Amino acid sequence: EAGVAQSPRYKIIEKRQSVAFWCNPISGHATLYWYQQILGQGPKLLIQFQNNGVVDDSQLPKDRFSAERLKGVDSTLKIQPAKLEDSAVYLCASSQRLAGRAYNEQFFGPGTRLTVL
Amino acid sequence: QQQVKQSPQSLIVQKGGISIINCAYENTAFDYFPWYQQFPGKGPALLIAIRPDVSEKKEGRFTISFNKSAKQFSLHIMDSQPGDSATYFCAARTLSDSGGSNYKLTFGKGTLLTVNP
Repeated sequence: EAGVAQSPRYKIIEKRQSVAFWCNPISGHATLYWYQQILGQGPKLLIQFQNNGVVDDSQLPKDRFSAERLKGVDSTLKIQPAKLEDSAVYLCASSQRLAGRAYNEQFFGPGTRLTVL
Repeated sequence: QQQVKQSPQSLIVQKGGISIINCAYENTAFDYFPWYQQFPGKGPALLIAIRPDVSEKKEGRFTISFNKSAKQFSLHIMDSQPGDSATYFCAARTLSDSGGSNYKLTFGKGTLLTVNP
């Protein structure tokens, strides 16, 4: 079974530029998450989708970050304009609800390492 | 603000020794507590998870101990091996903002474990 795919793996941009990340979740996974992982810290949830609807974006800096999952499969996360403090690894994860399971595991992609100069 | 506090920040253990990582939380709405393992350049991967009504869960060399009254839980790695060298994150689950059956994770800051041969 293929895992969560993300691209690009690395991106270097100047501050105030725009950048977009792409994620393709595991086939059949209805829930998709975007996390920001700053060096030396744990992942922080930015936005969560259930199919193509947003179920949590409480920690998304909406003045500069946006995300979409138009057809309920793959997703893009955009930053416009980028700031120095946006330098981080952006992780995508997906999960599916399984009947009878108390905990539905989140499967993470390898992430995109963003450097803002 | 929901937080999960993790310690130590880094840990060095000799091969065959026991590695212990501790986490604490305040929010009683957390209802599941997974541990994730992350190798450099990879996304986190689920290691083991526990419900708050269980005091201990063991899977192979990995054991979670849970103290509900103290709001603390810990990961014990028995017979630590060099291949266990990674960053470990504790996490806690709550309902997403939209509620229903959507959940989100809050992660600790991570513990970098080094197992010397």
